[in-house]
Amino acid sequence: EAGVAQSPRYKIIEKRQSVAFWCNPISGHATLYWYQQILGQGPKLLIQFQNNGVVDDSQLPKDRFSAERLKGVDSTLKIQPAKLEDSAVYLCASSLEKGTGYTYNSPLHFGNGTRLTVT
Amino acid sequence: AQTVTQSQPEMSVQEAETVTLSCTYDTSESDYYLFWYKQPPSRQMILVIRQEAYKQQNATENRFSVNFQKAAKSFSLKISDSQLGDAAMYFCALLSGNTPLVFGKGTRLSVIA
Repeated sequence: EAGVAQSPRYKIIEKRQSVAFWCNPISGHATLYWYQQILGQGPKLLIQFQNNGVVDDSQLPKDRFSAERLKGVDSTLKIQPAKLEDSAVYLCASSLEKGTGYTYNSPLHFGNGTRLTVT
Repeated sequence: AQTVTQSQPEMSVQEAETVTLSCTYDTSESDYYLFWYKQPPSRQMILVIRQEAYKQQNATENRFSVNFQKAAKSFSLKISDSQLGDAAMYFCALLSGNTPLVFGKGTRLSVIA
């Protein structure tokens, strides 16, 4: 099966600019996640979708970050305006699980991520 | 709050030897799950092994096995017969309750030929 697709692979922007990332999950996967991975740390969940509804966005900085999954398939994550501390790898993941966070029997499949550098 | 601690930022192992990566965690839930993920330079997170907290038997997947000590809240990963392709970042992760998957800070494993 095709994996989780993400683009772009790399992005360099200046602070206060805007940027968007795109993710296409594995076909049929109901749940989609966006993670932020700052250098030297493990991934941190930003937002979780189930189909096109938001399940958890408690750690999303909503003043500058937004995400959507309009048709319950692919998703975009936007940052506007970007800050230096947003420099990180943004990982998208998907899983079959239709529940709310129970991913034991439906492991997360991750994409290759987008490395964002804010200068 | 759920926390995961990996106290070894870097480890190295000779090819064909065995290495153990440490992980401790904390949760107030009685029902939870633990995972080890591998992240090679491609950045894709790959599930290596998983363990259900209610199972006393340690999980094994080919050359990978865990030592799950529930009372000590410890979940270490043992890699036997290490191969060059095992070089990567390894993350321990905890899933409990309805909270999102929580990752540790990772251990960078180098394999020496």
